Amino acid sequence: TQLLEQSPQFLSIQEGENLTVYCNSSSVFSSLQWYRQEPGEGPVLLVTVVTGGEVKKLKRLTFQFGDARKDSSLHITAAQPGDTGLYLCAGEPAYSGTYKYIFGTGTRLKVLA
Amino acid sequence: EPEVTQTPSHQVTQMGQEVILRCVPISNHLYFYWYRQILGQKVEFLVSFYNNEISEKSEIFDDQFSVERPDGSNFTLKIRSTKLEDSAMYFCASDVPGQGVEKLFFGSGTQLSVL
Repeated sequence: TQLLEQSPQFLSIQEGENLTVYCNSSSVFSSLQWYRQEPGEGPVLLVTVVTGGEVKKLKRLTFQFGDARKDSSLHITAAQPGDTGLYLCAGEPAYSGTYKYIFGTGTRLKVLA
Repeated sequence: EPEVTQTPSHQVTQMGQEVILRCVPISNHLYFYWYRQILGQKVEFLVSFYNNEISEKSEIFDDQFSVERPDGSNFTLKIRSTKLEDSAMYFCASDVPGQGVEKLFFGSGTQLSVL
């Protein structure tokens, strides 16, 4: 069974602080996506990483895919209250033969003003 | 920007009743999915659908569940006889895999409450 474990599960920080969220697995993924979900809404795609070691930046967000494509991280610089939400990683297991995405356990971020 | 639309946004039903959740995927997408999220829990895969048939399904997707693409635009999830534990947010998603960068586009969800 492929699992994606995210840590931390909850994070409450002050505005302006930096933070890193981790997404780890023992399985290899063809690609990995990061989503942000607001209460009562569907997940909204932030980024997709495909190549091992790839780093992508989206304004204050930096995403990295591990060299072995088993893990990923999301780093937020100078967090703002608008960054508050549930952050989800999701990936397509490699060599699975099907297009089935599995989701991580989620990290609930709260940024206090 | 094209989006996945889901109706209704909220559905309340009595245990044992049938419900149909509706989705209109993005028009040029080829793969369609249903996921669900029980309050406070992770997003769980239910089923994927391609070329008018189920591509893969999870253990959650038992005989009470079925999916259909009755015309060229709609994609539906039917729960034949709802149980209390079916209460969850149900998300439809679509994508066009095989184009180098796989990504899912999600609808806003249908909140199903089974009483």
